[in-house]
Amino acid sequence: QKEVEQDPGPLSVPEGAIVSLNCTYSNSAFQYFMWYRQYSRKGPELLMYTYSSGNKEDGRFTAQVDKSSKYISLFIRDSQPSDSATYLCAMSPTSNTGTASKLTFGTGTRLQVTL
Amino acid sequence: ETGVTQSPTHLIKTRGQQVTLRCSSQSGHNTVSWYQQALGQGPQFIFQYYREEENGRGNFPPRFSGLQFPNYSSELNVNALELDDSALYLCASSGGTSGANVLTFGAGSRLTVL
Repeated sequence: QKEVEQDPGPLSVPEGAIVSLNCTYSNSAFQYFMWYRQYSRKGPELLMYTYSSGNKEDGRFTAQVDKSSKYISLFIRDSQPSDSATYLCAMSPTSNTGTASKLTFGTGTRLQVTL
Repeated sequence: ETGVTQSPTHLIKTRGQQVTLRCSSQSGHNTVSWYQQALGQGPQFIFQYYREEENGRGNFPPRFSGLQFPNYSSELNVNALELDDSALYLCASSGGTSGANVLTFGAGSRLTVL
């Protein structure tokens, strides 16, 4: 069983829809949770960064973390064709220098927003 | 402020050959990590370099090795290439004021092994 599970999609929605992307994980040591967006032939770009449980909002994006259920979500409101990309969840147990950059990623969900 | 740059962007090698990939980290970052992303998969952690030393490694064999230079740039070397090494290799930098686990990725080097 993978440490982080993510539905690979593809997920196709009409422009303006609310998109819900999810990941589950098994390692209770994870404390830091991120969402990255990756366009085709590009590197991942950080979208959201949260610590422990709770919600965080940034414009049209909302990240939720439920550590009791080991479940994280990313919501995209008023989705746009420019949101079409692969969305990767990533997690880390620590922010210390030691091995902090060892992120564990999900497989990514491909999102297509249609006109 | 420049981002993370990687070279080459694409390369083709044959099985058994060796390859060196290069990375320049973002200004102000002192840590470099390398990831392998196979087609349709999420990035997999290879290793991390901090203060010119490897201080974290994922589940990759010793034929994957690296270097970090005093200016925080880095190289990834892969010896005895295998077909399964075909992937996008991503370099990420972190550290400074942005936090050790807030990674900035480059666009990657796409390696094809024939």
